[in-house]
Amino acid sequence: NAGVTQTPKFRVLKTGQSMTLLCAQDMNHEYMYWYRQDPGMGLRLIHYSVGEGTTAKGEVPDGYNVSRLKKQNFLLGLESAAPSQTSVYFCASGARFNYGYTFGSGTRLTVV
Amino acid sequence: KNEVEQSPQNLTAQEGEFITINCSYSVGISALHWLQQHPGGGIVSLFMLSSGKKKHGRLIATINIQEKHSSLHITASHPRDSAVYICAVHNTGNQFYFGTGTSLTVIP
Repeated sequence: NAGVTQTPKFRVLKTGQSMTLLCAQDMNHEYMYWYRQDPGMGLRLIHYSVGEGTTAKGEVPDGYNVSRLKKQNFLLGLESAAPSQTSVYFCASGARFNYGYTFGSGTRLTVV
Repeated sequence: KNEVEQSPQNLTAQEGEFITINCSYSVGISALHWLQQHPGGGIVSLFMLSSGKKKHGRLIATINIQEKHSSLHITASHPRDSAVYICAVHNTGNQFYFGTGTSLTVIP
């Protein structure tokens, strides 16, 4: 099925551990985004990409790194996880700016 | 200060009622999006608006650029409409601002 796939769906990390979240889309979309969703705060943009090989910072980029080596994949990395990074992470993609977006199903990350 | 404000925060309706969710924003925008987040957490894009009105089935979205206001209407509401509805705006600088959502519960 066409869409956006996020892996893993759930993860528990210890403080200081590292991990990578993978977002994969098969719709040939140029734009890809990583958001975090916290209770009472709405979605917040972490990083985004407007095409293969490009990345840009969003509203809350600190503590995260991203890479877009292939058009279909957008990776979000946590080098040294902190409890403040406990959240639900969503990836989204779009054909172009301000076009319709497709969201992944989310990754629930807990840092203890 | 929130660039996007939604009202109400919570809404309970009887099946069949007409529902309105409001979104006000304070920044200049290039487009406004309405999203639906299901109880299981998945997010679906419902509408993208830059002017006027759009309709899809029982859902209608309107926007008034001069007043910086948008509304999402649901006609003949159904329990399966129960979800969180999120308003999001994009400005021309590729900045994204999201409302905190309106939680809708439709009772049979």
